[in-house]
Amino acid sequence: AQTVTQSQPEMSVQEAETVTLSCTYDTSENNYYLFWYKQPPSRQMILVIRQEAYKQQNATENRFSVNFQKAAKSFSLKISDSQLGDTAMYFCAPYTDKLIFGTGTRLQVFP
Amino acid sequence: DTAVSQTPKYLVTQMGNDKSIKCEQNLGHDTMYWYKQDSKKFLKIMFSYNNKELIINETVPNRFSPKSPDKAHLNLHINSLELGDSAVYFCASSQMGGGEAFFGQGTRLTVV
Repeated sequence: AQTVTQSQPEMSVQEAETVTLSCTYDTSENNYYLFWYKQPPSRQMILVIRQEAYKQQNATENRFSVNFQKAAKSFSLKISDSQLGDTAMYFCAPYTDKLIFGTGTRLQVFP
Repeated sequence: DTAVSQTPKYLVTQMGNDKSIKCEQNLGHDTMYWYKQDSKKFLKIMFSYNNKELIINETVPNRFSPKSPDKAHLNLHINSLELGDSAVYFCASSQMGGGEAFFGQGTRLTVV
């Protein structure tokens, strides 16, 4: 069965600093996709970044980047220059035949 | 224009009642989902439909019955509501094969 582990239930970071959220997953598939979603207090689910497993290059989206280690089944999210608006729950979500979510990391950005 | 819209946004009802949540997407996607988010923020997939056909049913009690009249709509009907059904329910859509999922704003269901 597909599993997703986010080992950091809560994290905090000061504004303008960098923070990394970790995620490991388990799948027997070779081709799949990985996503990070953010859920601010408004509860809207917002896509942050996407990675195709067949691509070796790590995805980058402005201040957000990933470190994808396929052999280790690791998919961490780095947020640079953290902003107050980054305060949210962050979910790692692999897709093989369905999109499943990790337990989430609550990130608090302090001024 | 809202890409994935679900109604109602809030729903408060008594135990034993039957209720429905509606979902519509205007993105032309062929796959739609229902997720349940509990009080600890854990998101669990309930159902997935592809072109109106049920493809995933994650051992959800049969009091929950999804219906997809066409590929742009996926409704969720819940019979005999229980206290444990209180949660936020999200509808989402995507393209089959791994496109990112777009989510509705969620329906907070409270059973009293």
